[in-house]
Amino acid sequence: AQSVTQLDSHVSVSEGTPVLLRCNYSSSYSPSLFWYVQHPNKGLQLLLKYTSAATLVKGINGFEAEFKKSETSFHLTKPSAHMSDAAEYFCVVSTPAAGNKLTFGGGTRVLVKP
Amino acid sequence: GAVVSQHPSRVICKSGTSVKIECRSLDFQATTMFWYRQFPKQSLMLMATSNEGSKATYEQGVEKDKFLINHASLTLSTLTVTSAHPEDSSFYICSAGGLSYGYTFGSGTRLTVV
Repeated sequence: AQSVTQLDSHVSVSEGTPVLLRCNYSSSYSPSLFWYVQHPNKGLQLLLKYTSAATLVKGINGFEAEFKKSETSFHLTKPSAHMSDAAEYFCVVSTPAAGNKLTFGGGTRVLVKP
Repeated sequence: GAVVSQHPSRVICKSGTSVKIECRSLDFQATTMFWYRQFPKQSLMLMATSNEGSKATYEQGVEKDKFLINHASLTLSTLTVTSAHPEDSSFYICSAGGLSYGYTFGSGTRLTVV
């Protein structure tokens, strides 16, 4: 079985300060991990993905995430938040054992204060 | 990049009627598409996996007679909500792709049943 836990349902940051979104996963096999962003009433946009290559993954819009197997974590970071980063973020896991289906975390809503 | 088009973006229907939602892969062929449901302020839940030329695979607890899925071509999957009721009101999102190339999501359909 696979599961994802996003440790914070809401994160509030000031514009220009770092953003940290925490994600822990559970998987019996080597997982593929994704971060998606969703703006209100919109579909999901892929920020980055980890598929057993480099553990530090760089994505779009200045985001990056680090896969830490020992901690079963895949936290998302950005050094400097922008107002346009205000959105819902989902950490997602997939494994061949689960038929490559995606399992979503509960989501983290990011608020960026001016 | 891969594009998935979902239509309509919003639909309001009367209780007891049926609604069809289309999901198209615009620049690639998709033998498999996925349908998700998202309640307000919640995460995405996989409803079913749509397989081109064969029956869809439904997740546990999803009524296959209520949520009819047809995947008649490599670029089109449809979800029909039959005899809709207010509790079916939700945000429905489709996706296509796989681990190798990534999963692309449609922009979603907001269904309101009155």
